[in-house]
Amino acid sequence: EIVMTQSPATLSVSPGERATLSCRASQSVSSSLAWYQQKPGQAPRLLIYGASGRATGIPDRFSGSGSGTDFTLIINRLEPEDSAVYYCQQYNHWPPLTFGGGTKVEIK
Amino acid sequence: EVQLVQSGAEVKKPGESLKISCQGSRNSFTTHWIGWVRQMPGKGLEWMGIIYPDDSDTKYSPSFEGHVTISVDKSSTTAYLQWSSLKASDTAMYYCVRHFQKLVINDAFDVWGQGTMVIVSS
Repeated sequence: EIVMTQSPATLSVSPGERATLSCRASQSVSSSLAWYQQKPGQAPRLLIYGASGRATGIPDRFSGSGSGTDFTLIINRLEPEDSAVYYCQQYNHWPPLTFGGGTKVEIK
Repeated sequence: EVQLVQSGAEVKKPGESLKISCQGSRNSFTTHWIGWVRQMPGKGLEWMGIIYPDDSDTKYSPSFEGHVTISVDKSSTTAYLQWSSLKASDTAMYYCVRHFQKLVINDAFDVWGQGTMVIVSS
């Protein structure tokens, strides 16, 4: 099973600034990496697929990068509505498809 | 717009059986893998398994195989997740999801149901 490790667990950022979230895989997952945003009381929403492709309707403030074992999600010009938990997920190796433990982004 | 609409919250006792549902849009339901994801209270996301609605091919996570059954009714474009004997540890939110691309298992989930909360308590 591929273990996905996200850091930091919690990130506190001021509005308008940049948030940088990391995700590391226990072995290479190529570019088969997705990022999801989950706001309180809501289902997760796909942000990024293929490590860097933005899903439909996702603003260009969100960008993903990386390949192999190390991935990054950057949120530029942070807005209050970006307060959420962000999960990475690998889909290169299954079963199972695996998620990271999540990074909670708080707005100062 | 493709949607997955799940059945409502359930409160059950340990040992009881349960079947929850996820109804999808007709236009793409049979061409994409449909999966289930568990989220225990205050915890992260866990992939449980998937089914291909066109032929009912099913695959499970080793962590969930034997504990749940995934099925589908193609005629009503509805997928199901069921338990024969619930445990308190099954208390969680359960989401159904659609795989992004047609026919592809190794894929992100582009559509999520709203979730079904299952509470198992004596």
